[in-house]
Amino acid sequence: DQQVKQNSPSLSVQEGRISILNCDYTNSMFDYFLWYKKYPAEGPTFLISISSIKDKNEDGRFTVFLNKSAKHLSLHIVPSQPGDSAVYFCAASPRGGADGLTFGKGTHLIIQP
Amino acid sequence: EAGVAQSPRYKIIEKRQSVAFWCNPISGHATLYWYQQILGQGPKLLIQFQNNGVVDDSQLPKDRFSAERLKGVDSTLKIQPAKLEDSAVYLCASSTLGKASGTDTQYFGPGTRLTVL
Repeated sequence: DQQVKQNSPSLSVQEGRISILNCDYTNSMFDYFLWYKKYPAEGPTFLISISSIKDKNEDGRFTVFLNKSAKHLSLHIVPSQPGDSAVYFCAASPRGGADGLTFGKGTHLIIQP
Repeated sequence: EAGVAQSPRYKIIEKRQSVAFWCNPISGHATLYWYQQILGQGPKLLIQFQNNGVVDDSQLPKDRFSAERLKGVDSTLKIQPAKLEDSAVYLCASSTLGKASGTDTQYFGPGTRLTVL
């Protein structure tokens, strides 16, 4: 039973355009959501997070949107840069992140020049 | 500020052998986690410590996996005996409650890649 789903294994986007990565969840107890970026042979790097009391959080080129009724969140990267090429993981947790994270399988983002 | 440290970075062993991984969290982080990431999957929580006490070990295969966090700082994860399906990257993460946000954010180490032959 996969509680966090990233249905796109890979996504190819042209440099300078917008990248949109999607994530769906099924557990209504999740109230804190995070995106991590992972390069090969490195651990996941925290990118941005959002609490369920918000529907949008922005940090520079990265914006996360949360639609609680649809149990859906998305990560927007604008503009996309070559260094953004990586695997992106969506993660969720109940109790504001005080518990362990449940991860999706990841989306491999490829930024093409 | 130093990040989460893990060693070794790579380990190759034969099945039925034992292996241990070490983690040093970010200074001051009370909560420490061990995750297992199998190729093509997202990380899966194995165990969570708060200081030196276990908060959640419901997904830890206790017949072969053990973990400890003595003195509430460093932690070790042990597998004995190892099976072929234990081949994975073992990630350690630490977190502390953000006073402003009231939320915990986990920061990960580089991981240990284990290959069981």
